[in-house]
Amino acid sequence: EAGVTQFPSHSVIEKGQTVTLRCDPISGHDNLYWYRRVMGKEIKFLLHFVKESKQDESGMPNNRFLAERTGGTYSTLKVQPAELEDSGVYFCASSQGRGQGINNEQFFGPGTRLTVL
Amino acid sequence: QKEVEQDPGPLSVPEGAIVSLNCTYSNSAFQYFMWYRQYSRKGPELLMYTYSSGNKEDGRFTAQVDKSSKYISLFIRDSQPSDSATYLCAMSAKGGVSSASKIIFGSGTRLSIRP
Repeated sequence: EAGVTQFPSHSVIEKGQTVTLRCDPISGHDNLYWYRRVMGKEIKFLLHFVKESKQDESGMPNNRFLAERTGGTYSTLKVQPAELEDSGVYFCASSQGRGQGINNEQFFGPGTRLTVL
Repeated sequence: QKEVEQDPGPLSVPEGAIVSLNCTYSNSAFQYFMWYRQYSRKGPELLMYTYSSGNKEDGRFTAQVDKSSKYISLFIRDSQPSDSATYLCAMSAKGGVSSASKIIFGSGTRLSIRP
């Protein structure tokens, strides 16, 4: 079974440009999460989708970030316009969403490394 | 103050040693406690999972949770070079199907096992 995939693996853009990151969760997983790790900091939660609905977007840093999940399948995270402090690794995770506790294990993708110059 | 504190290391030990990794936390609402392992250029991978206080053992790995002290530990016995990675403690307040279950991570400890 394929794991969580993310595209691109690495993106280098200039300040002010737009970048769109994509995440394909494990097939059948209702829950999709975005996290990011900026240099020297811990991995931090950005938002959580249940199917196509945003369940929790309390971690989104500002309105330059827009996340969508079309039809409850893949998700995109757009940064527009990008700033220097947006540089970091963006992780996507998915979980099944049924059952309790460990049945909601979040499986992480390899991440997209974003560099804003 | 961070919700989860973890010594970033790096920690270097000889092969076969017992490794002890620790985290402290401040939010008493946390109920689910996890340890993730992350290799370079990869995403975090769940290693151990504990609900509430207590111990859990899986092969060479033992996870301990002391909610009264807000302290969690991961022990690795008979450490191997393949255990070299970054270890992240993580916790969440909710883990049920109908609840938002965002994970709060520690900063990670970089561990190196010397052959």
